[in-house]
Formats: sequence, C-alpha cells, structure tokens
Amino acid sequence: ETGVTQSPTHLIKTRGQQVTLRCSSQSGHNTVSWYQQALGQGPQFIFQYYREEENGRGNFPPRFSGLQFPNYSSELNVNALELDDSALYLCASSLYRGGLAEGYEQYFGPGTRLTVT
Amino acid sequence: SQKIEQNSEALNIQEGKTATLTCNYTNYSPAYLQWYRQDPGRGPVFLLLIRENEKEKRKERLKVTFDTTLKQSLFHITASQPADSATYLCALSSSGTYKYIFGTGTRLKVLA
Repeated sequence: ETGVTQSPTHLIKTRGQQVTLRCSSQSGHNTVSWYQQALGQGPQFIFQYYREEENGRGNFPPRFSGLQFPNYSSELNVNALELDDSALYLCASSLYRGGLAEGYEQYFGPGTRLTVT
Repeated sequence: SQKIEQNSEALNIQEGKTATLTCNYTNYSPAYLQWYRQDPGRGPVFLLLIRENEKEKRKERLKVTFDTTLKQSLFHITASQPADSATYLCALSSSGTYKYIFGTGTRLKVLA
C-alpha cells in the first residue's frame, strides 16, 4: 500500500452539481497529479500541481479545477457535473527534485469512484 | 495524434511460464516509459521505469525492454504465479513534461 489516501471512497451526484475530491500525498512528496479513469480504460491525465501551482494540464475543460495546499495535500473540484464524468478519480503523488523531468515514479491512491446520475 | 496501444484482449498463461505484454506507440517520442500493475477497484502500482537511452531494465522476476526504433516496449514476468494476475498498464512521458499518457492496459490471468 502507498501512503496516498483519497476521500471519499464512493460518491453519487446528480448532473449539474459540483463535487470536491480530496487527496493526501505520501510523506515527503511535493507533487500531485490527478487522473480520470473510465471503466476499461487507462488513466487520463487531468492536471498536476507542484508547490501549490498548476504545473501542466490535460485535455479537460475549465470546470475541472484543483488546489494544492502547503502540506502538499490536494483537491479536485468538478463543476456542472455531466453523466460522462462518472469514473474513478485517481491522485498520484511524487517527488520532483528540480531540473528537467526525471521520469519520476508515481504513487497512486485507491481512487474515488464518482457516479453522476 | 499520440496513440498508445496495448493488447486489449486478456492474456491467459500457465503458472510457471513467462508472460510477455506489449506496449506500442505512434506519433510520440517518449523519454520515459513506466509499467504499472492495477488490481480491480484499486489504484495503479508502480513497477518499473525505463529511459529512452536504456534498452533493458530488470527487477526480480520483471524485465522491461524499450525499443525506440520499433516504438515498442515489452514487459516480461518470468516464472509467473496466479498472484501476478492483474491488469498491466504502460505509461509514456516526454522529456520536459510531467504529463504521462497511459495505455488501456492488458489483463493478465495466470492459471494454476
């Protein structure tokens, strides 16, 4: 088991609502990435946070937003939920040591299963 | 557009044999390639990282190769065990970016 925790485990929301998912990084890690994984698919990169700043973003609309806190924990917020947002949301923490990307190892949490009805 | 292909069909092999999983990519020049294991309902678990200038990497019963000419990585599990049954994902990243692109994964089933 990694030291990455996510809450809640499961969540059911109605279309149009807003949701906040939370992630606690592994101790010593300074970077958090969020992924969306639909059933039978690989994880899709949403965005990454490093030292409380967004450090890169995938092909997701602005209604997907995030935060990273000084203790490196993170939140993913999704506004105006759509049925297609139903998926497993994963966060992954890693340690970025500076300089060019090193192909860092990512440690994933267990995920939050979001169902939008 | 960038594309990563893993065999979507499940791979069934007999216990003790070597499992070989394939990851092919197009329209991409990755600097790093990772392999992950994912069990149902759980997050992926990091297994191995290989860089573009490395041909092969080993860790215990695992071996990864990375051929940038063929645009392919092979992932081998030797002396496979039923406990190795899971979905295996490959993920690629370019130098200077923190974004990893994942394949859809291959489900491996090791039969006792």
